[in-house]
Amino acid sequence: AQKVTQAQTEISVVEKEDVTLDCVYETRDTTYYLFWYKQPPSGELVFLIRRNSFDEQNEISGRYSWNFQKSTSSFNFTITASQVVDSAVYFCALSEAYSGAGSYQLTFGKGTKLSVIP
Amino acid sequence: DAMVIQNPRYQVTQFGKPVTLSCSQTLNHNVMYWYQQKSSQAPKLLFHYYDKDFNNEADTPDNFQSRRPNTSFCFLDIRSPGLGDAAMYLCATSRNPAGLGSEQYFGPGTRLTVT
Repeated sequence: AQKVTQAQTEISVVEKEDVTLDCVYETRDTTYYLFWYKQPPSGELVFLIRRNSFDEQNEISGRYSWNFQKSTSSFNFTITASQVVDSAVYFCALSEAYSGAGSYQLTFGKGTKLSVIP
Repeated sequence: DAMVIQNPRYQVTQFGKPVTLSCSQTLNHNVMYWYQQKSSQAPKLLFHYYDKDFNNEADTPDNFQSRRPNTSFCFLDIRSPGLGDAAMYLCATSRNPAGLGSEQYFGPGTRLTVT
């Protein structure tokens, strides 16, 4: 069975600090997809990134970067020079390769609430 | 802008009084989902449609039903809301299943209060 663990329930940082959100996953599949979503206080989940299991390249998008390591089953998310607008709940999610009706399911972690203090 | 729209944003209903939440999309995506999210929890998938094919998650209560009359619209019907059904209801769409790597796009949600 697949599982996603976000051990950090809440993190507070002061603006301009860097912060890393941890995500550890479990799956028996060799083909799978990992996602990060942001949920600001307004409630809408915003898609940030998708990574497939065959692509271990790290990715950078502006102040955001992601480190995918299959050896440790981790897909960590770093925000550089955090800003107040980064305050949100961040969810890591996993989907195993398509195999029918169950393949629509995203397995979410419990989320990490990030508070950036001005 | 292409998007996922949910109406209303806030809904108050009485215990046992049927309620319908609506979702529309301009993304022309094949898949539409309904999630329930309670405070400080991750979203929980209730059901999804791939085109007109409906799939109910095993633990979705019978109290919850859904309709998708066309590609753009999807409705969530709660036949007899209980206090435990108070939650945020999120609609999402994707071009293909998550198992094919498709990301999901979410609407802003409808916050349901049951009195």
